Amino acid sequence: AQSVTQLGSHVSVSEGALVLLRCNYSSSVPPYLFWYVQYPNQGLQLLLKYTTGATLVKGINGFEAEFKKSETSFHLTKPSAHMSDAAEYFCAVKGSRGSTLGRLYFGRGTQLTVWP
Amino acid sequence: GAGVSQSPSNKVTEKGKDVELRCDPISGHTALYWYRQSLGQGLEFLIYFQGNSAPDKSGLPSDRFSAERTGGSVSTLTIQRTQQEDSAVYLCASSLAVRARPSYEQYFGPGTRLTVT
Repeated sequence: AQSVTQLGSHVSVSEGALVLLRCNYSSSVPPYLFWYVQYPNQGLQLLLKYTTGATLVKGINGFEAEFKKSETSFHLTKPSAHMSDAAEYFCAVKGSRGSTLGRLYFGRGTQLTVWP
Repeated sequence: GAGVSQSPSNKVTEKGKDVELRCDPISGHTALYWYRQSLGQGLEFLIYFQGNSAPDKSGLPSDRFSAERTGGSVSTLTIQRTQQEDSAVYLCASSLAVRARPSYEQYFGPGTRLTVT
């Protein structure tokens, strides 16, 4: 079975500071991993995904994430936070076979606050 | 092109009433998913449609919940005899054929906020 744990339900940073949102996954097969962002009263928007190949994945809005198999992690980073980055971020792992094929298993989310 | 659309955006209903939530997926997407987002449970998978295959209903929380997808496109999620614990945001997502390529990403609609009073 697949699952995701996001460490820290709230993260606060100053504008211009490094953003680091942590995600650890559990999967018995090579995982497909995703980060989504949700702005207030909106749906989820895909930031980036890891499937196979390069372990450092670049996404939209300057975000990137690194897949580390040895640490079962897929942390999201951005070198310099902007006020517009304030939102809730969800890490997800995708079922890749059998009865779980296709469905996403989400972490509980991390609310990012950016201070001016 | 147009994204996933959902209607209504907000729905307030009385306990015991039935509600229908609608999802229009992205054109050409054969896979469609429903998720529920609530404060207590986070984001939960409800049901998954893939082409003409039988849907995966394993995430539906009770037999009061049902969903159908007509013509391989529009989907309706129906909740009968609503309860207060059904209050949540219901999100729909679509993707290209998952069986062909499981890594395809899902695109989400804006959701329907359901409040049961």
